[in-house]
Amino acid sequence: DTAVSQTPKYLVTQMGNDKSIKCEQNLGHDTMYWYKQDSKKFLKIMFSYNNKELIINETVPNRFSPKSPDKAHLNLHINSLELGDSAVYFCASSAGTDQPQHFGDGTRLSIL
Amino acid sequence: GENVEQHPSTLSVQEGDSAVIKCTYSDSASNYFPWYKQELGKGPQLIIDIRSNVGEKKDQRIAVTLNKTAKHFSLHITETQPEDSAVYFCAALNYGGSQGNLIFGKGTKLSVKP
Repeated sequence: DTAVSQTPKYLVTQMGNDKSIKCEQNLGHDTMYWYKQDSKKFLKIMFSYNNKELIINETVPNRFSPKSPDKAHLNLHINSLELGDSAVYFCASSAGTDQPQHFGDGTRLSIL
Repeated sequence: GENVEQHPSTLSVQEGDSAVIKCTYSDSASNYFPWYKQELGKGPQLIIDIRSNVGEKKDQRIAVTLNKTAKHFSLHITETQPEDSAVYFCAALNYGGSQGNLIFGKGTKLSVKP
């Protein structure tokens, strides 16, 4: 069984659209994260949620909003997509902020 | 904030040789240092980690060393195999502070030639 799963795996859309990426973990972890990996493979934290509370909010545009309906899910909503949003977005989870993080296989977002 | 430097950016070795990847960090309060392996089209996979109260940790062909004084840590892979080819990332975390950000290095692309 996949521990951290993201859908969709690929997302191709036009500038200005609104899209969502879903993430689910079946590890029973308390903390979930969203990372952005750019074209140079650089990984950077965007958000993390601990017990449904936002505990880290890096300097990302407010067009990006994480939403956690329950402890096992952390979805990423993106409004008014821009060309610069093209990247691979990874969801991750951990048992706590000081515990190993487990990553999903990513969602490749391409903006036309 | 924390800054993690990783070297080299690319590394090519012959099968059976050893590979070493080095990272330095800037925040002396960082206390957790994981290493991730990312294969093409996949997410980063944790391969080994070390906490600041330990100087070395080994798991089969993989070992990590930590020098807190110099603020650097290294990944050692012995007896490399073609399936070790991937991008490797080091990271540093300060989980004692108000924000537990995991800061990644820029990655090392390891190629193991058969």
